[in-house]
Amino acid sequence: GAGVSQSPSNKVTEKGKDVELRCDPISGHTALYWYRQSLGQGLEFLIYFQGNSAPDKSGLPSDRFSAERTGGSVSTLTIQRTQQEDSAVYLCASSSQANQETQYFGPGTRLLVL
Amino acid sequence: GENVEQHPSTLSVQEGDSAVIKCTYSDSASNYFPWYKQELGKRPQLIIDIRSNVGEKKDQRIAVTLNKTAKHFSLHITETQPEDSAVYFCAASGELNKFYFGSGTKLNVKP
Repeated sequence: GAGVSQSPSNKVTEKGKDVELRCDPISGHTALYWYRQSLGQGLEFLIYFQGNSAPDKSGLPSDRFSAERTGGSVSTLTIQRTQQEDSAVYLCASSSQANQETQYFGPGTRLLVL
Repeated sequence: GENVEQHPSTLSVQEGDSAVIKCTYSDSASNYFPWYKQELGKRPQLIIDIRSNVGEKKDQRIAVTLNKTAKHFSLHITETQPEDSAVYFCAASGELNKFYFGSGTKLNVKP
C-alpha cells in the first residue's frame, strides 16, 4: 500500500513568511509524528498525535510552530514568520495502533528560508 | 526527559570489516530501542529493533545488544559492504511512544 507522503518536497521561502507543510500518513495509522532534521544532525522531536488524544506539543521550539491533524488523518505543520534557523528537513512519521513502536517515515520536506 | 547520545559521529571501515555504533540513554523507563538507516536524500528506514526484555537480537549481518543496567545499546554490522554506507540513528522510547533520537553516525564503507 501507499506509504507516508509529504508535500511539498522542497520549499524555498523568504524570512518572515508563513509556510505550511503537509503529511499524509499511512491509511488507518493512529499515531503521527513530526520531526525536524537540521543538516548533519539527528531527528528532533516536534509534536506527536495519537488518535483523538490531545497532541504532545512539548518539542515545538517556539510559538511560531503549530500543527493540526484533521479527522485523525492528514496533518499540517505551520511555521509562522519563518527565520533562517528554521531551514531544515521536516520529517513526518506514522504508526499503527497495533504496532505503535514501528514508525514509517515520509520522504520529508526540505525547507530553505532565505 | 530522555537523552540519547550516539557515537562515533563518523565511522570509516574497509569492506568486509565490522562496524560498531554505540548509544547511551538516560531514562530507565525507556523500553524500546530501534535503529534506523538513512541513505543520502532518503527517508529513515527501520533496520532492527530491540525491547528491554531482550539482551541481543540478530538479523543476518546486523545485530543489536542492550545493556539495561548500564543504559547502553549497540549496533553491530559484520562483513560490511559498500551499500551499508549511510547515516545510522539510534532511538529510545518508553510507554508514551515518544521517540528520542541520537545524533547519527555516518558510516563509510570503503571498497
